Amino acid sequence: QVQLQESGPGLVKPSQTLSLTCTVSGGSISSTTRGNYYWSWIRQHPAKGLEWIGYIYYSGNTHYSPSLRSRVTISVDTFKNQFSLTVSSVTAADTAMYYCAREDSSGYRFDSWGQGTLVTVSS
Amino acid sequence: QSVLTQPPSVSGAPGQRVTISCTGNTSNIGAGYDVHWYQQLPGTAPRLLIFGNNNRPSGVPDRFSGSKTGTSASLAITGLQAEDEADYYCQSYDVSLSRSRVFGGGTKLTVL
Repeated sequence: QVQLQESGPGLVKPSQTLSLTCTVSGGSISSTTRGNYYWSWIRQHPAKGLEWIGYIYYSGNTHYSPSLRSRVTISVDTFKNQFSLTVSSVTAADTAMYYCAREDSSGYRFDSWGQGTLVTVSS
Repeated sequence: QSVLTQPPSVSGAPGQRVTISCTGNTSNIGAGYDVHWYQQLPGTAPRLLIFGNNNRPSGVPDRFSGSKTGTSASLAITGLQAEDEADYYCQSYDVSLSRSRVFGGGTKLTVL
């Protein structure tokens, strides 16, 4: 059973860059033996719904939400079995719980989630 | 404003049946893309509850079921239990929004 764990600073100053890492265990990011997966980031504003940010494939191919594309970068390190998220020029509107998740590419469903990490943007 | 529309809240007594609707359009659910449902217990991450409109991952009780017709989908919970009190989200794929994954706004289920 694959497990995901987010890590990174819980507090970021306005206008700076938010950086988070997701470590995958129990399976390889690069493995396609049991299917093709996209490694994704999703966020949840306080007391709000879920917002998809984007994903990366182990090959490095990425796809981002149109609303965040100009500020978001997702990268992968297959040797460390990790993928990362950066969001530039953050504002208070980027304060949220950030989740990493695995998406089954055959059906666009998120079948494994990390526990989430809260990022607060404040000076 | 979420792309998929859900009622903000539903409630039911223990043992009862409740349904949660999820309405999309011809760019997502109506275009034939699958609907998935997630359960988010208080203070925890979402977990996949129903996938591919009406399939349950292993470990999910058969009290939970899903359906889809046209531009809408529904989640039904029978034999309501106190432990079912949670937020529920539907999710699909949207071709008109640059191939985005889209969520509903979430529905808070209260067990009376």
